[in-house]
Amino acid sequence: QSVLTQPPSASGTPGQRVTISCSGSSSNIGSNSVNWYQQLPGTAPKFLIYNDNERPSGVPDRFSGSKSGTSASLAISGLQSVDEADYYCAAWDDSLNAWLFGGGTKLTVL
Amino acid sequence: QLALQESGPGLVKPSEILSLTCTVSGGSISSSSYFWGWIRQTPGKGLEWLGSIYYTGTTYYNPSLKSRVTISIDASKNQFSLRLSSVTAADTAVYSCFFCSGTYYDAFDVWGQGTMVTVSS
Repeated sequence: QSVLTQPPSASGTPGQRVTISCSGSSSNIGSNSVNWYQQLPGTAPKFLIYNDNERPSGVPDRFSGSKSGTSASLAISGLQSVDEADYYCAAWDDSLNAWLFGGGTKLTVL
Repeated sequence: QLALQESGPGLVKPSEILSLTCTVSGGSISSSSYFWGWIRQTPGKGLEWLGSIYYTGTTYYNPSLKSRVTISIDASKNQFSLRLSSVTAADTAVYSCFFCSGTYYDAFDVWGQGTMVTVSS
């Protein structure tokens, strides 16, 4: 069981906006930055959002991150079929001295 | 551009040691990089961080693996390695190495493609 909690699945139709949540605690999300990773089928994960809400170059601005307290969210607007993937949140935990990942959310574009 | 490639046996017997190597190309592992590490993913399941090693030599390991995991750097070969002892079937997974350059804060910005390791007699 992951310490960071994500919904196992999410879905939307092309063009819609979907949000994926990631819930943690004061020792991880509450005190450290959150990163988001996208894993397309059969490929290695790729980082999507860093430092809660920053996007590396090359990541479309349809992807955005936010954080409030001990929860973080990834929003995808203008949903496209290429966005079908597994999405993971991650944060360092000060109590465990360890990186924690969420259990992952499988996004389906209907 | 920096790239990572995992290598090692695809089959390990129960109770033995799993050893994997990550070869770094396109850059030096000895430069003042941020940290390197290993992650695994069991079939159909999520990502599990195994451990990280900083360029200073400082290591952090997943507490759930207790004392079974060791990560080390071989600068002469531009490689870093994972050693997991006393393996069981539960350690069957795709193992991937990663690098955090610090360019994007503490995100794991470079990943290897992953290598499947099966624990079975």
